[in-house]
Amino acid sequence: EVQLVESGGALVQPGGSLRLSCAASEFTFSNFWMSWVRQAPGEGLEWVANIKGDGSEKYLVGSVMGRFTISRDNAKNSVYLQMNSLRAEDTAVYYCVREGGGAYFDYWGQGTLVTVSS
Amino acid sequence: DIQMTQSPSTLSASVGDRVTITCRASQSISSWLAWYQQRPGKAPKLLIYKASSLESGVPSRFSGSGSGTEFTLTISRLQPDDSATYYCQQYKSHYSFGQGTKLEIK
Repeated sequence: EVQLVESGGALVQPGGSLRLSCAASEFTFSNFWMSWVRQAPGEGLEWVANIKGDGSEKYLVGSVMGRFTISRDNAKNSVYLQMNSLRAEDTAVYYCVREGGGAYFDYWGQGTLVTVSS
Repeated sequence: DIQMTQSPSTLSASVGDRVTITCRASQSISSWLAWYQQRPGKAPKLLIYKASSLESGVPSRFSGSGSGTEFTLTISRLQPDDSATYYCQQYKSHYSFGQGTKLEIK
């Protein structure tokens, strides 16, 4: 069974940095686009970033451009989200997600909570 | 950016009922639409992709239809564990989600 396990969530002060990791297993990781999707407390879902299987293409939602970076290490079956200049509005559960054959999100991790507060 | 609008925002129904949730896109997305179920405290789960294709393992009580800008998710023979929030998502141009529909089972 496909598994996605996020880690790295924490309480961080505004302006701080955090790196989220997602360890994938039970599928050929390098064949799939991977995304990060977040959900603020009590709110809906927001796609944040994605990266192609070979890492050659990356996209970010406008609100995080210039602050967040997505990367992957196919040798470690892992995808990362580097978050800099964090703001209160970045507070959310961050989900690591696999993009299925048609770009929909077919597998989700359990999420990791990022809280930005002083 | 493509905006997705769901209705209703909340819905209450009884076990055995059939309910329908509507999702509208701000521009045509062909059939590039998915539906997800999110139970409280859990990650979302894929139900439907390409507007009407049922994900493996999802009960056939769930069905999707539509194309272009208007889509529906229908749940037949409601069960107690269908209580959840349901989201539509377009994946024609990057990704965007509807605001969610919270379904309560009476």
